[in-house]
Amino acid sequence: EIVMTQSPATLSVSPGERATLSCRASQSVSSNLAWYQQKPGQAPRLLMYGAFTRATGFPARFSGSGSGTEFTLTISSLQSEDFAVYYCQQYNDWPWTFGQGTKVEIK
Amino acid sequence: EVQLVESGGGLVKPGGSLRLSCAASGFTFSSYDMNWVRQAPGKGLEWVASISRSSSYIYYADSVKGRSTISRDNGKNSLYLQMNSLRVEDTAVYYCARDSGVVAATLFDPWGQGTLVTVSS
Repeated sequence: EIVMTQSPATLSVSPGERATLSCRASQSVSSNLAWYQQKPGQAPRLLMYGAFTRATGFPARFSGSGSGTEFTLTISSLQSEDFAVYYCQQYNDWPWTFGQGTKVEIK
Repeated sequence: EVQLVESGGGLVKPGGSLRLSCAASGFTFSSYDMNWVRQAPGKGLEWVASISRSSSYIYYADSVKGRSTISRDNGKNSLYLQMNSLRVEDTAVYYCARDSGVVAATLFDPWGQGTLVTVSS
């Protein structure tokens, strides 16, 4: 199975600053990489897929990049509603696997 | 509005069984593959099982294979997960998640609010 590794585990960022989250796959997943956002007490929401295509409802301050084994999610200017846990997920090979998550917290 | 509402969770002893349900509304249920994803307390997400639109294709994570059965009733717009021989490590919030509909991609969107399964003696 493909192992997804996210870093850092926790990212402390001030509102208005940039956040950069990383996700690494143990083998190539091409561009078959998604990101989810999960706020406390809520279910996850699909944020991005195809490595860089934003899902409905997410603003342009969220951007994704990468292919193969290295991926990045960037939030250009953090807003209060962006503080959450972010998970990457590969859908290149069964079984579908998630990273362990990066918590973006207020500095 | 798309809605997924899970039910059936609860406290069960190791070795016991539970049947989770997910009631879907707001979309044509029979047109979408469906999934179960779980999240242990304070932990990350783990895909559990998937079922295709007509139940022709079914997949399980190794962690539940042989102990769980995913099924659906398109006439009742409902998804199910029968879990047997439950273990302490099965303790988690179980989410029902629809396939996003993006072609050639297994993406989970949207999700229900989840139902908590606690396995403890």
